[in-house]
Amino acid sequence: GQNIDQPTEMTATEGAIVQINCTYQTSGFNGLFWYQQHAGEAPTFLSYNVLDGLEEKGRFSSFLSRSKGYSYLLLKELQMKDSASYLCAVRSLFTGGGNKLTFGTGTQLKVEL
Amino acid sequence: DVKVTQSSRYLVKRTGEKVFLECVQDMDHENMFWYRQDPGLGLRLIYFSYDVKMKEKGDIPEGYSVSREKKERFSLILESASTNQTSMYLCASNPTAGTDGYTFGSGTRLTVV
Repeated sequence: GQNIDQPTEMTATEGAIVQINCTYQTSGFNGLFWYQQHAGEAPTFLSYNVLDGLEEKGRFSSFLSRSKGYSYLLLKELQMKDSASYLCAVRSLFTGGGNKLTFGTGTQLKVEL
Repeated sequence: DVKVTQSSRYLVKRTGEKVFLECVQDMDHENMFWYRQDPGLGLRLIYFSYDVKMKEKGDIPEGYSVSREKKERFSLILESASTNQTSMYLCASNPTAGTDGYTFGSGTRLTVV
């Protein structure tokens, strides 16, 4: 089975840096995704890690350590529009082919002035 | 751009009704998924399909069934709607090959009264 943990809520200041952590226990690991979801909207893809290390994409970076079952999403130069829920999701292979994502419950980030 | 379209944004149905939620994707993706999203519980996988006429149970399949007669369409069926199936339902798709995450539809908010 899959078990994914991330903090429920975080608050940060505009212009600052925030790190959202995610720990997981899974079988058949085949990558970790981060999604952003604004209230009332569908999740949108932010980043993907399958190998250990840091992936950088503009203001957003994501880190993975497979041996520790740990990832984080780093958001720099926070803007008010970054207020959203951030979802950690683990991809695993299934026997019939293809893959599936299992999601954590999400971290609600509030950016304040 | 990949587009995943869910037929209804909001639905209100009565207890005991048979409910069909439709999802269509236009990028020839092999994999399609149905999730429901509830506060505090995150996204939970109901059913997924990795090919036409193929289906696999997710984590919470009870009370639901699915149909995939064509590659582009994946339908979620609530055989006899109950109030505990009131939720946001999200459809998603992705290709089997590559590192793409999911592309989500805009969601259907179903209320069962």
